[in-house]
Amino acid sequence: DIQMTQSPSTLSASVGDRVTITCRASQSVSKWLAWYQQKPEKAPKLLIYKASSLESGVPSRFSGSGSGTEFTLTISSLQPDDFATYYCQQYNSYPYSFGQGTKLEIK
Amino acid sequence: EVQLSESGGGLVKPGGSLRLSCAASGFTFSSYAMSWVRQAPGKGLEWVSGISGSGDATYYADSVKGRFTISRDNSKTTLYLQMNSLRVEDTAMYYCAKDRPQGNIDHWGRGARVTVSS
Repeated sequence: DIQMTQSPSTLSASVGDRVTITCRASQSVSKWLAWYQQKPEKAPKLLIYKASSLESGVPSRFSGSGSGTEFTLTISSLQPDDFATYYCQQYNSYPYSFGQGTKLEIK
Repeated sequence: EVQLSESGGGLVKPGGSLRLSCAASGFTFSSYAMSWVRQAPGKGLEWVSGISGSGDATYYADSVKGRFTISRDNSKTTLYLQMNSLRVEDTAMYYCAKDRPQGNIDHWGRGARVTVSS
């Protein structure tokens, strides 16, 4: 089974900052990697799929990159609405798996 | 508009059973694989199970294999998760989710809360 590891687990940042979250896979997942945003008591929301494709309706300040075993999610200029928890997920092979999450907090 | 609505959650004793349902609408249900994802209180997301559009292929996380069964009724556009031999650690919010053909989830339900406690 493929294990996904995100870093950092918690990130403190300010509005306007550029932030990057990393996701590593225990074996190659090619480009089959998605990023989700989750706010408290809400279902997750798809941001990025196939490592770098921006989901329709998601602001362009979100971007993804990487392939194989190392991936990043970058938010170019943090907005107040972006403070949430972010998860990566591999869907290269079953069982699919999520990273443990990165909580983005206001500094 | 895609809509996914879970039902069947509740409180059950360890060793008990529960069946979750997910009523789907707004898309051609039989054309898409579906998934169940859970989230224990204060914890991260855990992929639980997936099923192909036809229902012929099913997949499970090791943590639920042999205890949970995913199924679907395409005539009723409904997804199911039969949960047997429930454990305290199965306590979570269970989300029904629609997969894209490539495999990533693009729509989520609001979730059904399952509590396993004596």
